[in-house]
Amino acid sequence: KQEVTQIPAALSVPEGENLVLNCSFTDSAIYNLQWFRQDPGKGLTSLLLIQSSQREQTSGRLNASLDKSSGRSTLYIAASQPGDSATYLCAVRPNSNYQLIWGAGTKLIIKP
Amino acid sequence: DAGITQSPRHKVTETGTPVTLRCHQTENHRYMYWYRQDPGHGLRLIHYSYGVKDTDKGEVSDGYSVSRSKTEDFLLTLESATSSQTSVYFCAISAEEDYTDTQYFGPGTRLTVL
Repeated sequence: KQEVTQIPAALSVPEGENLVLNCSFTDSAIYNLQWFRQDPGKGLTSLLLIQSSQREQTSGRLNASLDKSSGRSTLYIAASQPGDSATYLCAVRPNSNYQLIWGAGTKLIIKP
Repeated sequence: DAGITQSPRHKVTETGTPVTLRCHQTENHRYMYWYRQDPGHGLRLIHYSYGVKDTDKGEVSDGYSVSRSKTEDFLLTLESATSSQTSVYFCAISAEEDYTDTQYFGPGTRLTVL
């Protein structure tokens, strides 16, 4: 059974720092992996989607990498800003079905 | 933002009562999903739909039923609410049939069962 883990559960860093969020999964048979952002009391917004054949995707200050063989993905945030404060979740889609399997998220706080 | 609304946004109910949550989309997307989000568990899929009157169970479907009579509406019903169903419920939609799509989420419904 696929399991997705995000460590740490919470992270607090000063503004301006580069940071890395981690996501690990137990079964490498995935079709894609997505990173989402969730602001308090709101829904989720898709940030980046990486296909299983890809190694990374970039959008602005965000870069997501995927290493299927080791079951890991990282979300790199460059030059962090207070507006980046949110919970970041990763989700994997198995090869076998449409269901997304979710990590519990990392709550990120960027201190001004 | 994708046109997804959920109603109600907040609800408090008592154990044993039926509850229906509504998800409405204006995007004409084929796929719709209901998730619940609980601390420490991330999101868990309850049910999903791949077309009008076509639904299937997710990871945590016990105690829930769904209906989709129109493309734009996906209803989630708690047949007899229990305290363990206190949660935040999210609806999501996606467009593509293949696996390259992403999901767009509604704002959520916070349900409290006393």
